[in-house]
Amino acid sequence: DVKVTQSSRYLVKRTGEKVFLECVQDMDHENMFWYRQDPGLGLRLIYFSYDVKMKEKGDIPEGYSVSREKKERFSLILESASTNQTSMYLCASSETGEKLFFGSGTQLSVL
Amino acid sequence: AQSVTQPDIHITVSEGASLELRCNYSYGATPYLFWYVQSPGQGLQLLLKYFSGDTLVQGIKGFEAEFKRSQSSFNLRKPSVHWSDAAEYFCAVLTNTGNQFYFGTGTSLTVIP
Repeated sequence: DVKVTQSSRYLVKRTGEKVFLECVQDMDHENMFWYRQDPGLGLRLIYFSYDVKMKEKGDIPEGYSVSREKKERFSLILESASTNQTSMYLCASSETGEKLFFGSGTQLSVL
Repeated sequence: AQSVTQPDIHITVSEGASLELRCNYSYGATPYLFWYVQSPGQGLQLLLKYFSGDTLVQGIKGFEAEFKRSQSSFNLRKPSVHWSDAAEYFCAVLTNTGNQFYFGTGTSLTVIP
C-alpha cells in the first residue's frame, strides 16, 4: 500500500517562527499536494507539485512556500507563522489521473 | 470555474437507516469524481471513484454512488448505516489535467444508536 508520511502529528509554534512541515511518499508518485483543512471550509489547496523542483500555486498560497528537491519529499514552509495559520495540514500524492493518497495530517497551532 | 457543492453540512441518521449524501459539481468536461471519508483525527481514505462507464459505482464499506450527468450530481448512498460510519465525507472532482482536485466543504455524519 502507498504510504504518505507527515513528520509531525501535532505541532505548536509561536507567532513569527519559521515552520517546516515535511511529507514523504514511498510510491514514486509524480504529484504531491499540500491542503489546509478548516471547519466549514473543507480542504483548500495551498500548493502542488507535478515534478521535482516544479510547483504550482493553489487557491491559498499566501504566507506559504514549498520545496521539492527530491521526488518523494514535499515540504511546506511557513516563513513567518501567524495565528491565522493555525489549522490541520494534509499532504497527499498521486499519479496523474489517479486518486489521491493522504497522510494522517499535522495539526498546527500558532500561539 | 470548477466547483464542488455539498449542500448538507451535517446529517444525523439512526443506525440501520439508509443514507444519501449529496454532491453537485460544476465542470466543463467529463469529470472524474471521488468520494473520500475522514475519521476523526485521520487523513482521508478513498471510498469510491467514477471515471467512465457504468454510472453506478460500488465502493468500500458497502457504499455506492451514482453519477447523473443531467443533474451534475454524484450522490453517495448506503442502504444500512453502521455506527462506525460516523465521519466526515468529502466529494471531489479531478480536472482533465489529471493532477488538480477540487473538494467540497464536506458533510459530517452522526449515527445515533
